[in-house]
This record gives sequence, C-alpha cells and structure tokens, in this order.
Amino acid sequence: QKEVEQNSGPLSVPEGAIASLNCTYSDRGSQSFFWYRQYSGKSPELIMSIYSNGDKEDGRFTAQLNKASQYVSLLIRDSQPSDSATYLCAVNIKSSTSGGGADGLTFGKGTHLIIQP
Amino acid sequence: EAGVTQFPSHSVIEKGQTVTLRCDPISGHDNLYWYRRVMGKEIKFLLHFVKESKQDESGMPNNRFLAERTGGTYSTLKVQPAELEDSGVYFCASSQDLTGYGYTFGSGTRLTVV
Repeated sequence: QKEVEQNSGPLSVPEGAIASLNCTYSDRGSQSFFWYRQYSGKSPELIMSIYSNGDKEDGRFTAQLNKASQYVSLLIRDSQPSDSATYLCAVNIKSSTSGGGADGLTFGKGTHLIIQP
Repeated sequence: EAGVTQFPSHSVIEKGQTVTLRCDPISGHDNLYWYRRVMGKEIKFLLHFVKESKQDESGMPNNRFLAERTGGTYSTLKVQPAELEDSGVYFCASSQDLTGYGYTFGSGTRLTVV
C-alpha cells in the first residue's frame, strides 16, 4: 500500500515566524514530490515541486527532500496570515499499466496551518 | 488562459440515481485526471486520460463509475447508480506535458448522495 503521511494539525505559527510542515512516504521508488496549498472550499494549488535530495528554494518557500529517510518537508519563512490553509504533500506513483508519460499522485491528508496575526 | 472548469459545482442526488460530472481541461492539455476526496480522507487518484485514451484507471472504485473523454477534449464521469459512500468532492486536473508535472486542478464538484 503506497502511503503518504502528514500530521493533520492544526499547526499554529505566529506571524513572521517559520512554519515547518513535514511528510513521510512509504514507496521507496517514488521519484517526484509536490506541495499543494488548498484554501477552504478551493482547489489544490501547486506551490513547490522537488525531485532530488537537498533543498529547493522559491521565494519564502523551501522544500527539502531526504530520500534515504523517505521524508519531505516544506518551510515557509516570514509566515503571513494569508498562508493559513491546508498543505497537501503529494508523491508521484507509477502506474502499473503506464508505459511512460504522466502518472497519478498519491496525496497525504494534509496539514492545516494557522498563522496567528 | 482559462483554467480547468468543472460543473456542476454542487450536486445532491438520492441513492440509486445517476449523476454525470463534467470537466473541461485547459485547452491543449492532453493529460486529464480525475481525483476524489471523501470526507476525512485524502485525495485519491481515480483515473488518467491521455487525449481520448484511458492511460490508467486503477483508482476507479467499481463498475458503477464510468469515465469518458470523447474527442480528447472534455471528460465526463458518470456514477450509476449512486451510493451513499460516493459522496465527496470530485476533482479534475489537467497537464500539458507527458511527465504529468504541474497539474492544474479544477475547483471540484461536491457530490452528496442522500
């Protein structure tokens, strides 16, 4: 069973601090990792993707990947109230019938993040 | 550029009825995906189209669910007959390149079966 685990929260962080979101995955063969942000009642929005070990920075967001530990994290610096949302970790799975091309994603349940003004 | 469009946004039907959900992907996106989120659970992959062909339908729950994408444009997902456990939010996503990275999700259809 391929799984992605996240702490559901809520995770409460004061405005201006660093929010740290964590995710573990069970399929050691996973190759691609994504963080989505979802506001209540809205669609998931891709904010970061990472494919190799180490850190990847984009503005206030940093994704970290450790394939040996099967662990991926998202750091949000200078947290703003507008960052309050559910953050979904997603992992690329390989289709047993796909000869290549696009694949489906396995999602975690998400972490509810609250930034306190 | 128009995003991924889904309709209806909400649907309430009785157990045993039929419902058809529609997804219009971003123009030119060959890859179209259906996902579902049941209350309290994670978003789960249902199936994947490349143009009009079903690339992977391993996530479809059972044969009460039928997805089509005639002509490789919009897609429909029919549930017949609907059961209570089919309630949830059905998301559609599309992507341009064959790697599947960088999905754009639609806003979803909230289906309630009573």
